[in-house]
Amino acid sequence: TQLLEQSPQFLSIQEGENLTVYCNSSSVFSSLQWYRQEPGEGPVLLVTVVTGGEVKKLKRLTFQFGDARKDSSLHITAAQTGDTGLYLCAGGRGNFNKFYFGSGTKLNVKP
Amino acid sequence: NAGVMQNPRHLVRRRGQEARLRCSPVKGHSHVYWYRQLPEEGLKFMVYLQKENIIDESGMPKERFSAEFPKEGPSILRIQQVVRGDSAAYFCASSPISLDNRLDEQYFGPGTRLTVT
Repeated sequence: TQLLEQSPQFLSIQEGENLTVYCNSSSVFSSLQWYRQEPGEGPVLLVTVVTGGEVKKLKRLTFQFGDARKDSSLHITAAQTGDTGLYLCAGGRGNFNKFYFGSGTKLNVKP
Repeated sequence: NAGVMQNPRHLVRRRGQEARLRCSPVKGHSHVYWYRQLPEEGLKFMVYLQKENIIDESGMPKERFSAEFPKEGPSILRIQQVVRGDSAAYFCASSPISLDNRLDEQYFGPGTRLTVT
């Protein structure tokens, strides 16, 4: 069973559209990270959120951590073809525990 | 990828051989994680190590797989007597300890793609 569930699994949109990817759990996390991974490469850290209700913006990307620290969302405004990739969320529970990864959302932005 | 080095990038082994995957974490990071990824899938946790200590190996198969992170040198993931099902991308990540002892971020290496023929 997956501790973190991501939805949707696959998303194919046109350039210029907006989209939201979700990362949900029934467990509380002390921090949550979002990564983007391109084919043949390792995941690249986009953002870390640690406070319930926290919102972080990275250019056209907006990340939100749920108030109860059980879920998170990633919103992309005016998607570009360069946003194509696998988006992964990962939760940490502190105290030297391992990180838990979601199964990923594969995004394809068409020109 | 914030300085995590993995080698080799590609490794081909015949069934029954041994595979050794190396990971050098970001300088100053004392926590290393190994993950396995199959095509079109997410990352599956294998093992979490600190220097000279295995903290959590709950994701690692009990047989044929072992990992170490010695006081000096890189972390090694070792797979003995490889089988075709071991073919995958293996990623290493390292993490610092933040000021309040939470491990907030991981930095990934480029991965080693293991192919078993």
